[in-house]
Amino acid sequence: LAKTTQPISMDSYEGQEVNITCSHNNIATNDYITWYQQFPSQGPRFIIQGYKTKVTNEVASLFIPADRKSSTLSLPRVSLSDTAVYYCLVGSYNQGGKLIFGQGTELSVKP
Amino acid sequence: EPEVTQTPSHQVTQMGQEVILRCVPISNHLYFYWYRQILGQKVEFLVSFYNNEISEKSEIFDDQFSVERPDGSNFTLKIRSTKLEDSAMYFCASTTGGNVGYTFGSGTRLTVV
Repeated sequence: LAKTTQPISMDSYEGQEVNITCSHNNIATNDYITWYQQFPSQGPRFIIQGYKTKVTNEVASLFIPADRKSSTLSLPRVSLSDTAVYYCLVGSYNQGGKLIFGQGTELSVKP
Repeated sequence: EPEVTQTPSHQVTQMGQEVILRCVPISNHLYFYWYRQILGQKVEFLVSFYNNEISEKSEIFDDQFSVERPDGSNFTLKIRSTKLEDSAMYFCASTTGGNVGYTFGSGTRLTVV
Protein backbone atom coordinates (compact mmCIF):
# COMPACT_ATOMS: atom_id res chain seq x y z
CA LEU A 1 0.00 0.00 0.00
CA ALA A 2 1.29 3.44 -0.92
CA LYS A 3 2.47 5.59 1.97
CA THR A 4 0.78 8.98 2.27
CA THR A 5 2.00 12.21 3.83
CA GLN A 6 -0.31 15.06 4.75
CA PRO A 7 -0.08 18.03 7.15
CA ILE A 8 -0.87 17.20 10.75
CA SER A 9 -3.07 20.24 11.23
CA MET A 10 -4.51 23.26 9.43
CA ASP A 11 -6.45 26.30 10.55
CA SER A 12 -9.01 28.19 8.53
CA TYR A 13 -11.84 30.68 8.92
CA GLU A 14 -15.46 30.32 8.00
CA GLY A 15 -16.18 31.05 4.37
CA GLN A 16 -12.65 30.32 3.15
CA GLU A 17 -11.65 27.64 0.69
CA VAL A 18 -9.42 25.00 2.26
CA ASN A 19 -6.97 22.89 0.30
CA ILE A 20 -5.35 19.86 1.93
CA THR A 21 -2.54 18.28 -0.05
CA CYS A 22 -1.45 14.69 0.27
CA SER A 23 1.77 13.20 -1.09
CA HIS A 24 1.85 9.61 -2.31
CA ASN A 25 5.05 9.20 -4.29
CA ASN A 26 4.86 5.42 -4.65
CA ILE A 27 1.27 5.20 -5.83
CA ALA A 28 0.68 2.11 -7.98
CA THR A 29 -1.03 2.02 -11.36
CA ASN A 30 -4.19 0.41 -9.97
CA ASP A 31 -4.44 2.64 -6.90
CA TYR A 32 -7.24 5.09 -6.28
CA ILE A 33 -7.05 8.14 -4.02
CA THR A 34 -9.77 8.39 -1.40
CA TRP A 35 -10.53 10.95 1.29
CA TYR A 36 -12.45 10.39 4.49
CA GLN A 37 -13.65 12.80 7.15
CA GLN A 38 -13.95 11.97 10.84
CA PHE A 39 -15.68 13.93 13.57
CA PRO A 40 -14.85 13.19 17.23
CA SER A 41 -16.38 9.93 18.48
CA GLN A 42 -17.79 9.09 15.06
CA GLY A 43 -16.77 6.70 12.32
CA PRO A 44 -14.90 7.94 9.25
CA ARG A 45 -17.14 9.18 6.45
CA PHE A 46 -16.30 8.80 2.77
CA ILE A 47 -15.93 12.17 1.06
CA ILE A 48 -14.53 11.66 -2.42
CA GLN A 49 -12.47 9.32 -4.55
CA GLY A 50 -10.56 9.77 -7.77
CA TYR A 51 -8.03 8.19 -10.10
CA LYS A 52 -6.79 11.12 -12.17
CA THR A 53 -7.51 14.76 -13.10
CA LYS A 54 -10.40 16.31 -11.21
CA VAL A 55 -13.41 14.91 -9.42
CA THR A 56 -16.15 17.04 -7.90
CA ASN A 57 -19.18 16.20 -5.81
CA GLU A 58 -21.56 18.18 -3.63
CA VAL A 59 -19.08 18.22 -0.75
CA ALA A 60 -15.59 18.64 -2.20
CA SER A 61 -13.28 18.58 -5.19
CA LEU A 62 -10.26 16.38 -5.65
CA PHE A 63 -7.41 17.49 -7.87
CA ILE A 64 -4.91 14.89 -9.08
CA PRO A 65 -1.97 15.95 -11.29
CA ALA A 66 -0.86 13.85 -14.22
CA ASP A 67 1.92 12.08 -12.32
CA ARG A 68 -0.55 11.14 -9.53
CA LYS A 69 2.16 11.52 -6.89
CA SER A 70 0.05 13.96 -4.93
CA SER A 71 -3.55 15.04 -4.61
CA THR A 72 -5.40 18.01 -3.17
CA LEU A 73 -8.73 17.92 -1.40
CA SER A 74 -10.53 21.23 -1.80
CA LEU A 75 -13.35 22.23 0.53
CA PRO A 76 -15.19 25.33 -0.74
CA ARG A 77 -16.39 27.92 1.77
CA VAL A 78 -15.86 25.94 4.96
CA SER A 79 -18.08 26.33 7.99
CA LEU A 80 -17.53 25.54 11.65
CA SER A 81 -19.08 22.12 11.07
CA ASP A 82 -16.22 21.18 8.73
CA THR A 83 -13.89 21.03 11.74
CA ALA A 84 -12.75 17.41 11.63
CA VAL A 85 -9.85 15.12 10.79
CA TYR A 86 -9.37 14.45 7.08
CA TYR A 87 -7.63 11.30 5.90
CA CYS A 88 -6.01 10.67 2.53
CA LEU A 89 -5.86 6.97 1.60
CA VAL A 90 -4.32 5.36 -1.45
CA GLY A 91 -4.96 1.82 -2.58
CA SER A 92 -6.85 -0.55 -4.82
CA TYR A 93 -10.11 -1.55 -3.25
CA ASN A 94 -11.64 -3.43 -6.15
CA GLN A 95 -11.85 -6.59 -4.05
CA GLY A 96 -12.53 -5.00 -0.73
CA GLY A 97 -8.98 -4.46 0.45
CA LYS A 98 -8.45 -3.01 3.91
CA LEU A 99 -8.23 0.73 4.43
CA ILE A 100 -5.07 1.92 6.15
CA PHE A 101 -5.50 5.20 7.99
CA GLY A 102 -2.64 7.53 8.84
CA GLN A 103 -2.78 10.35 11.34
CA GLY A 104 -4.79 12.55 9.01
CA THR A 105 -5.03 16.33 8.92
CA GLU A 106 -6.86 17.98 11.79
CA LEU A 107 -8.72 20.92 10.29
CA SER A 108 -9.89 23.61 12.66
CA VAL A 109 -12.36 26.16 11.28
CA LYS A 110 -12.70 29.34 13.31
CA PRO A 111 -15.46 31.96 13.22
CA GLU B 1 -29.06 7.11 2.70
CA PRO B 2 -28.28 3.54 3.85
CA GLU B 3 -26.43 3.24 7.14
CA VAL B 4 -24.26 0.79 9.01
CA THR B 5 -25.84 0.33 12.43
CA GLN B 6 -23.85 -0.56 15.52
CA THR B 7 -25.07 -1.56 18.95
CA PRO B 8 -24.58 -0.81 21.72
CA SER B 9 -23.23 2.71 21.40
CA HIS B 10 -21.41 2.35 24.71
CA GLN B 11 -20.47 -0.73 26.69
CA VAL B 12 -18.71 -0.95 30.01
CA THR B 13 -17.34 -4.33 31.01
CA GLN B 14 -15.14 -5.83 33.69
CA MET B 15 -11.69 -7.05 32.76
CA GLY B 16 -11.81 -10.72 31.81
CA GLN B 17 -15.43 -10.65 30.68
CA GLU B 18 -16.60 -11.50 27.20
CA VAL B 19 -18.21 -8.83 25.05
CA ILE B 20 -20.03 -9.00 21.75
CA LEU B 21 -20.25 -5.92 19.57
CA ARG B 22 -22.97 -5.96 16.97
CA CYS B 23 -23.24 -4.45 13.53
CA VAL B 24 -25.82 -4.48 10.76
CA PRO B 25 -24.01 -3.67 7.51
CA ILE B 26 -25.74 -2.23 4.45
CA SER B 27 -27.84 -4.98 2.93
CA ASN B 28 -26.27 -5.27 -0.54
CA HIS B 29 -22.70 -4.94 0.66
CA LEU B 30 -20.36 -7.91 0.38
CA TYR B 31 -17.27 -6.95 2.37
CA PHE B 32 -17.32 -6.32 6.10
CA TYR B 33 -14.75 -4.93 8.49
CA TRP B 34 -13.96 -4.12 12.08
CA TYR B 35 -11.68 -1.27 13.00
CA ARG B 36 -10.79 0.22 16.34
CA GLN B 37 -9.56 3.58 17.52
CA ILE B 38 -7.94 4.05 20.88
CA LEU B 39 -8.54 7.55 22.23
CA GLY B 40 -6.27 10.04 20.49
CA GLN B 41 -4.80 7.46 18.14
CA LYS B 42 -5.23 6.29 14.55
CA VAL B 43 -8.05 4.20 13.21
CA GLU B 44 -6.62 0.66 13.12
CA PHE B 45 -7.70 -2.23 10.95
CA LEU B 46 -8.69 -5.39 12.81
CA VAL B 47 -10.29 -7.81 10.36
CA SER B 48 -12.03 -8.11 7.01
CA PHE B 49 -14.71 -10.64 6.18
CA TYR B 50 -15.98 -11.82 2.81
CA ASN B 51 -17.99 -14.79 1.63
CA ASN B 52 -18.51 -15.98 5.21
CA GLU B 53 -14.88 -16.15 6.12
CA ILE B 54 -12.07 -13.94 7.32
CA SER B 55 -10.13 -12.58 4.35
CA GLU B 56 -7.50 -10.68 6.30
CA LYS B 57 -6.68 -9.88 9.91
CA SER B 58 -4.16 -7.68 11.65
CA GLU B 59 -1.72 -8.56 14.42
CA ILE B 60 -4.16 -7.02 16.88
CA PHE B 61 -6.77 -9.63 15.98
CA ASP B 62 -5.41 -12.45 18.10
CA ASP B 63 -7.11 -15.55 19.51
CA GLN B 64 -9.17 -13.42 21.88
CA PHE B 65 -11.08 -11.95 18.95
CA SER B 66 -13.57 -13.61 16.65
CA VAL B 67 -16.12 -12.47 14.09
CA GLU B 68 -19.31 -14.01 12.87
CA ARG B 69 -22.10 -13.32 10.43
CA PRO B 70 -24.68 -15.65 11.89
CA ASP B 71 -27.80 -14.81 9.93
CA GLY B 72 -26.92 -12.89 6.76
CA SER B 73 -27.62 -9.50 8.27
CA ASN B 74 -25.72 -9.15 11.55
CA PHE B 75 -21.94 -9.01 11.78
CA THR B 76 -20.48 -9.43 15.25
CA LEU B 77 -17.13 -8.98 16.92
CA LYS B 78 -16.50 -11.01 20.05
CA ILE B 79 -13.73 -10.39 22.53
CA ARG B 80 -13.45 -13.44 24.77
CA SER B 81 -11.58 -12.09 27.76
CA THR B 82 -11.31 -8.33 27.72
CA LYS B 83 -8.21 -6.46 28.82
CA LEU B 84 -7.86 -2.88 29.92
CA GLU B 85 -6.06 -2.11 26.65
CA ASP B 86 -9.10 -3.22 24.65
CA SER B 87 -10.80 0.02 25.69
CA ALA B 88 -11.43 1.86 22.43
CA MET B 89 -14.03 2.88 19.87
CA TYR B 90 -14.86 -0.05 17.63
CA PHE B 91 -16.14 0.71 14.14
CA CYS B 92 -17.84 -1.63 11.75
CA ALA B 93 -17.67 -0.89 8.02
CA SER B 94 -18.97 -2.39 4.82
CA THR B 95 -18.65 -1.94 1.08
CA THR B 96 -19.78 -3.49 -2.18
CA GLY B 97 -16.23 -3.73 -3.48
CA GLY B 98 -15.24 -2.20 -6.80
CA ASN B 99 -13.28 0.85 -5.70
CA VAL B 100 -16.13 2.70 -4.06
CA GLY B 101 -16.29 4.30 -0.65
CA TYR B 102 -16.64 2.28 2.52
CA THR B 103 -19.49 3.05 4.92
CA PHE B 104 -18.65 3.14 8.60
CA GLY B 105 -20.99 2.85 11.55
CA SER B 106 -21.06 5.33 14.42
CA GLY B 107 -19.08 3.00 16.61
CA THR B 108 -19.27 1.28 19.97
CA ARG B 109 -17.29 2.81 22.77
CA LEU B 110 -15.92 -0.09 24.81
CA THR B 111 -14.65 0.69 28.29
CA VAL B 112 -12.93 -2.09 30.19
CA VAL B 113 -12.61 -1.49 33.92
